[in-house]
Amino acid sequence: GAGVSQSPRYKVAKRGQDVALRCDPISGHVSLFWYQQALGQGPEFLTYFQNEAQLDKSGLPSDRFFAERPEGSVSTLKIQRTQQEDSAVYLCASSLGQTNTEAFFGQGTRLTVV
Amino acid sequence: GESVGLHLPTLSVQEGDNSIINCAYSNSASDYFIWYKQESGKGPQFIIDIRSNMDKRQGQRVTVLLNKTVKHLSLQIAATQPGDSAVYFCAENLGGTASKLTFGTGTRLQVTL
Repeated sequence: GAGVSQSPRYKVAKRGQDVALRCDPISGHVSLFWYQQALGQGPEFLTYFQNEAQLDKSGLPSDRFFAERPEGSVSTLKIQRTQQEDSAVYLCASSLGQTNTEAFFGQGTRLTVV
Repeated sequence: GESVGLHLPTLSVQEGDNSIINCAYSNSASDYFIWYKQESGKGPQFIIDIRSNMDKRQGQRVTVLLNKTVKHLSLQIAATQPGDSAVYFCAENLGGTASKLTFGTGTRLQVTL
C-alpha cells in the first residue's frame, strides 16, 4: 500500500483480555517502530525493529507487552491481560533506512480497556 | 473523531498570518529533529526535519530554526491556512543507531477566519 496500515482501527477489550494489534509498514522499509500515545500527550516510544531483529524494547511498560516482526515486514504488538491504564492509541511507524531517516506513521489503533 | 491534545498549549492565529510554534528539547546530544503535524484521529504527519549541523531549513511555507545553545526549536508557518489547524509536535533523535524519537508535549494551532 501507499502508507503504513494499522488494524484494527478501534479495539475495545475487557480488562484481563489479550489483544493483538497489527502493523503493515511501507513496503521495503527496514525500520519499524511502535509508539503509545495517551490522550493529550505526545507519542512515547515502545520498541524498534530493524528488519526482523528487535533492537530496542526499552519502552515496553511491562512484560505484558510483546512485539514481533518475524519476517521483517508485518509486525504485531500483543498486550496480555489488558488493564485500564493500557488504554491509548498505539501508533506504528516505518522508515526506509536504519538511522535518522523520516519515519512515516500509521493512523494508529485506539485501544479502550473497560 | 477524538481530539488530540485536549489540554495542550494553544496558539490561535488568523488566517493569512504567520505562525510560530516553539519547542524546547531535552538532550544536548540529539542530532536530528523533526516537526510533525497531527490532526484529530490521525497519526503524526512529517512536516520538516533538520540536522544539528544546520540552524535553519526551509520547506514549502514552513521554516524550522534550531538553536543548539539553548536547546530550542521553532516551526514557522507562513500565511497560515485553516487546513493547518492541528497539534504540532517536535521530536528529537539521538542519531547513530538510536533511532527512536522522543516527542515534545505538543502545541495546538487554531486558525481563525
